[in-house]
Amino acid sequence: GESVGLHLPTLSVQEGDNSIINCAYSNSASDYFIWYKQESGKGPQFIIDIRSNMDKRQGQRVTVLLNKTVKHLSLQIAATQPGDSAVYFCAELASGGSYIPTFGRGTSLIVHP
Amino acid sequence: GAVVSQHPSWVICKSGTSVKIECRSLDFQATTMFWYRQFPKQSLMLMATSNEGSKATYEQGVEKDKFLINHASLTLSTLTVTSAHPEDSSFYICSASGLAKNIQYFGAGTRLSVL
Repeated sequence: GESVGLHLPTLSVQEGDNSIINCAYSNSASDYFIWYKQESGKGPQFIIDIRSNMDKRQGQRVTVLLNKTVKHLSLQIAATQPGDSAVYFCAELASGGSYIPTFGRGTSLIVHP
Repeated sequence: GAVVSQHPSWVICKSGTSVKIECRSLDFQATTMFWYRQFPKQSLMLMATSNEGSKATYEQGVEKDKFLINHASLTLSTLTVTSAHPEDSSFYICSASGLAKNIQYFGAGTRLSVL
């Protein structure tokens, strides 16, 4: 479950726009994926999850898309609000294994009012 | 949803002292707890995984004598940073999972500053 630390990519959007945050995962055996939101100085919060037998899942204002062919995950946030400003992490898990997720490097979302 | 409480949220200590951080699952039994370290603008780095009643499993490169983890009950795990030095200054975050092993619920984190 080790993550590689590099400076975070940043996505800047205007309030009301839709945001798309992307994540590439590495393990073909991963079958469960989670998006977390981390606000400054706080711990990550669960947003939405998806299993590998699905390619899309919707929540409230959020949609996660999974493309297993290219090992890509995305989080779409509709009508982005200033309160959505945070760092977003994807995490991948192989549920038949140790239940220790591997976290992506994260994307910093900045929403301008 | 499941709530994980982490305490303290911020601690400043002198070099050479030890600091204990508590992580509690408030409304569920945490069969597994995780401890992470996070540097500014970086992702979470897993330090160790602990199951209730057994010794923690440390990730490669993490000194188990430096970062003591105790998971004595299904609702409490502690991380003690022993003989802290300025390079130990960081943001430490715990998480816990219960019956739904796939999902971890995170504490709010502890900012440790070692002078």
